[in-house]
Amino acid sequence: GQNIDQPTEMTATEGAIVQINCTYQTSGFNGLFWYQQHAGEAPTFLSYNVLDGLEEKGRFSSFLSRSKGYSYLLLKELQMKDSASYLCAVRDNYGQNFVFGPGTRLSVLP
Amino acid sequence: EPEVTQTPSHQVTQMGQEVILRCVPISNHLYFYWYRQILGQKVEFLVSFYNNEISEKSEIFDDQFSVERPDGSNFTLKIRSTKLEDSAMYFCASSEGWGADTQYFGPGTRLTVL
Repeated sequence: GQNIDQPTEMTATEGAIVQINCTYQTSGFNGLFWYQQHAGEAPTFLSYNVLDGLEEKGRFSSFLSRSKGYSYLLLKELQMKDSASYLCAVRDNYGQNFVFGPGTRLSVLP
Repeated sequence: EPEVTQTPSHQVTQMGQEVILRCVPISNHLYFYWYRQILGQKVEFLVSFYNNEISEKSEIFDDQFSVERPDGSNFTLKIRSTKLEDSAMYFCASSEGWGADTQYFGPGTRLTVL
């Protein structure tokens, strides 16, 4: 089966750092993606991991441990515009489709 | 920057009617996808399409659904006889290649079935 878990909601303060976790159990693995989705809008690509370790892109970093079925997205120097849902998605081995997690709704407070 | 476009942005239809949702993928992309997101729920994969045929589909994508690339730029999703539970946001996405390539999403079409 395919199962992806994320916390439902998180709150953080402007300027702070927040870590959003994702655990997955899927039948295959060909990469893990993080997307940002503002309310009523389409998901937009943030980061991609296929090998273990940390990928850094500006204020955003993503980490993957394949043996643990675990990833996190790290957001630094939070801004109000970072208030959004963050979606963890896993691509399976042979298909091209993603299995999406339920998303984590992040609220950034002043 | 190239982007995926979708029309209409909002479609309202009566139960039992046919609807066609339209997408224009990024021009050099070869793989196309449809996803849906029921309000307040997670994004769900429907179908992927490559080389003018379906390459994978989920259990949601039953006989009521079909996809087509009628010309060199458009990619459509047809729902033959809409049901109330088809009300959702439908996202089209495209990617340049297979495997690890990032999928870029369109802005979505909100379908409301009355």
